[in-house]
Amino acid sequence: GNSVTQMEGPVTLSEEAFLTINCTYTATGYPSLFWYVQYPGEGLQLLLKATKADDKGSNKGFEATYRKETTSFHLEKGSVQVSDSAVYFCALSDRSGGYNKLIFGAGTRLAVHP
Amino acid sequence: DTAVSQTPKYLVTQMGNDKSIKCEQNLGHDTMYWYKQDSKKFLKIMFSYNNKELIINETVPNRFSPKSPDKAHLNLHINSLELGDSAVYFCASSQAGDGELFFGEGSRLTVL
Repeated sequence: GNSVTQMEGPVTLSEEAFLTINCTYTATGYPSLFWYVQYPGEGLQLLLKATKADDKGSNKGFEATYRKETTSFHLEKGSVQVSDSAVYFCALSDRSGGYNKLIFGAGTRLAVHP
Repeated sequence: DTAVSQTPKYLVTQMGNDKSIKCEQNLGHDTMYWYKQDSKKFLKIMFSYNNKELIINETVPNRFSPKSPDKAHLNLHINSLELGDSAVYFCASSQAGDGELFFGEGSRLTVL
């Protein structure tokens, strides 16, 4: 079945450091790919998305490129801030069975220190 | 004006009790979902409804019964609560398209 694997956390960085959170997927067909973010005590918010191969999603300084050849969708940010501390989830859209659902990775906690 | 709203936000109850969580969306979406997030933050889909019709049921115990009175509402009723039901339950909605889901803020259920 379809699945998402993302790097285990926690990831601890100093402010202004470069961030990479790895995400790889297994899927039949061509799913859309997403990064969601969950700030402490809150629900999930869409951070960025890509709907086809080679698309780059970007938002708030975060970027991820849909790489079909490596089945990856790694999240990057050039300079993190304390306010980026959150749990980040990679997800893919699964349309098997004729209906859409999102399958999530296990989440990666990011802690950014001043 | 909250797009996907859930009530209650917190729920503490004893084992064996029955409880409900309500969800409403004002986005005009056709499809709604319930996800369960465990203590390790892992998210797993439980149910999905499309226009009041159940379309996804992911091997959830039959103590869990979703109900969708109309396409803007999806409620979750849980009978005979167990300790393992303690989790955060998220409601979400989507429209046909690229698969993006819009989530509520979650309902934290604690079973004592």
